[in-house]
Amino acid sequence: QQQVKQSPQSLIVQKGGISIINCAYENTAFDYFPWYQQFPGKGPALLIAIRPDVSEKKEGRFTISFNKSAKQFSLHIMDSQPGDSATYFCAATGNTGTASKLTFGTGTRLQVTL
Amino acid sequence: DGGITQSPKYLFRKEGQNVTLSCEQNLNHDAMYWYRQDPGQGLRLIYYSQIVNDFQKGDIAEGYSVSREKKESFPLTVTSAQKNPTAFYLCASGGHYNEKLFFGSGTQLSVL
Repeated sequence: QQQVKQSPQSLIVQKGGISIINCAYENTAFDYFPWYQQFPGKGPALLIAIRPDVSEKKEGRFTISFNKSAKQFSLHIMDSQPGDSATYFCAATGNTGTASKLTFGTGTRLQVTL
Repeated sequence: DGGITQSPKYLFRKEGQNVTLSCEQNLNHDAMYWYRQDPGQGLRLIYYSQIVNDFQKGDIAEGYSVSREKKESFPLTVTSAQKNPTAFYLCASGGHYNEKLFFGSGTQLSVL
């Protein structure tokens, strides 16, 4: 059962452009939405996370936008750089952040070209 | 140098063989997790442990076994009952509220 749907599966963006990755969830009990970044041959690392009490969170060039009514959230990477080329996973969890219930999206492979 | 260490990086399994993947952490985290990563399928939870000597099945536990005898260690055994073991296996640990997971660098398991 896919509870977090992520799109697109792959994305090519020119250097300096904006990368946008979208996720949608079904479970209204979810209350924590992290994004993980994974480079080839490595484990994922937490990039940024948001709770539904805010509609946007920004950390440097990375911004999460959250739409509670639509049950959607997205990652925006401003001024995309070749070093941002990686696979990005959205995730969601409920029950006050119990990671045992962390549900991941299927991932987006981002390639930033020169 | 704190973190999670997984070994080996690459592992090959013969048919009918059990293999064990190692995961060690020095982050003093109570919780540890095993995920399986297949292309296009995201990360799926195999087993997790919140405290020593206790663990629970995740979404795809069949064909796998774990132990948690020490806080620092959470080895995963892929048994011969797992008919499609080829995947990238990731170990993770989390602090008290488990919101932030720290992942190891993974083990790529392949079948000979």
